[in-house]
Amino acid sequence: AQSVTQLGSHVSVSEGALVLLRCNYSSSVPPYLFWYVQYPNQGLQLLLKYTSAATLVKGINGFEAEFKKSETSFHLTKPSAHMSDAAEYFCAVSEDSGNTPLVFGKGTRLSVIA
Amino acid sequence: GAVVSQHPSWVICKSGTSVKIECRSLDFQATTMFWYRQFPKQSLMLMATSNEGSKATYEQGVEKDKFLINHASLTLSTLTVTSAHPEDSSFYICSARTPYNEQFFGPGTRLTVL
Repeated sequence: AQSVTQLGSHVSVSEGALVLLRCNYSSSVPPYLFWYVQYPNQGLQLLLKYTSAATLVKGINGFEAEFKKSETSFHLTKPSAHMSDAAEYFCAVSEDSGNTPLVFGKGTRLSVIA
Repeated sequence: GAVVSQHPSWVICKSGTSVKIECRSLDFQATTMFWYRQFPKQSLMLMATSNEGSKATYEQGVEKDKFLINHASLTLSTLTVTSAHPEDSSFYICSARTPYNEQFFGPGTRLTVL
């Protein structure tokens, strides 16, 4: 079975500050890992995904995440927060790149303070 | 990326009525689609896997007779909430799997049952 734990249901940062959203996973097979962003009343937008290639994955909007097998982590970072980054972020795990459904974490709401 | 649409984007209905939600893959054929449910401020939970031309596979605890899924074509899956009640009010999101085993999410449908 697979699971995802997102530490912190709510993270607040100042505009221009570093964004760090934490995600730890559990998987009995080599995982595929995803980060999605969700704006209010909208669907999910893929930020980035790890598919066993490079451990440092770069995504859209300046986000990146690093896969650390030893720590079973896949934390999401962005060097400088923008107001437009305020949203809900979900980490997800799957057994493959899309053949099986994703297992989502509970989400982290990011607030950006001017 | 591939585009997945959902219709309607929001619906309000009276208790006891049935509501149909459509999920369409606009520019690719999807033999498999997934239906998720998201309660307010919570994560997405997989409800069922919809396979074209065969019966859907439901997750444990999801009532098959209440949430009817039909995947009649390679580009359309429908979720019908039968005899809806206020506790069925939720955000329903589908995802469609491309022939390259990537998943793309629809924008979601917000259902409110009065």
